[in-house]
Amino acid sequence: GAGVSQSPSNKVTEKGKDVELRCDPISGHTALYWYRQSLGQGLEFLIYFQGNSAPDKSGLPSDRFSAERTGGSVSTLTIQRTQQEDSAVYLCASSPSGAVNTGELFFGEGSRLTVL
Amino acid sequence: TQLLEQSPQFLSIQEGENLTVYCNSSSVFSSLQWYRQEPGEGPVLLVTVVTGGEVKKLKRLTFQFGDARKDSSLHITAAQPGDTGLYLCAGGPYNQGGKLIFGQGTELSVKP
Repeated sequence: GAGVSQSPSNKVTEKGKDVELRCDPISGHTALYWYRQSLGQGLEFLIYFQGNSAPDKSGLPSDRFSAERTGGSVSTLTIQRTQQEDSAVYLCASSPSGAVNTGELFFGEGSRLTVL
Repeated sequence: TQLLEQSPQFLSIQEGENLTVYCNSSSVFSSLQWYRQEPGEGPVLLVTVVTGGEVKKLKRLTFQFGDARKDSSLHITAAQPGDTGLYLCAGGPYNQGGKLIFGQGTELSVKP
């Protein structure tokens, strides 16, 4: 499809394991965002990539969280040594360059992470 | 840290009633957006307001950006069950590139 694609849609893991979440943005979108949403809550900003600029990592909650974006397209969010408080829906969004400052984000359906 | 405070957090009304959701901050934003999210899906953009005092209408929904660019409101006229969902405001802080801050959301339930 033409939308933002995220995988896996659901991930159950044991405490202490590492997980990788993938985001495939809309083709041609230069900006890519990761957010975290706990049950029934708003979105917590994690990290933002814009073109070839250094990413804004100011929202990453700890050094167990990291993200990369390869070739200006696909992004992977990695959580090391997962904790139960990491359980949430991780949402990825992309934006065309012209909309970066007007907040027009296109979201994927999210990856639901459950840490047992 | 720039925050967006939404109120109310929960709203349960009958079909046909009117409602207003508020989004407030002590900070100035370059733009404010309203998103709607349904269970199991990502948020979907409803509107963007960029000019202080701006009012935009989308069918039965009216959005306003405060004159000082610190707050916004969403008014729904004659709510319908299809309006049920999580409404999120979001803002682009000045001088922070494309970073977008979200409010905690308003869970709206419209009963037939």
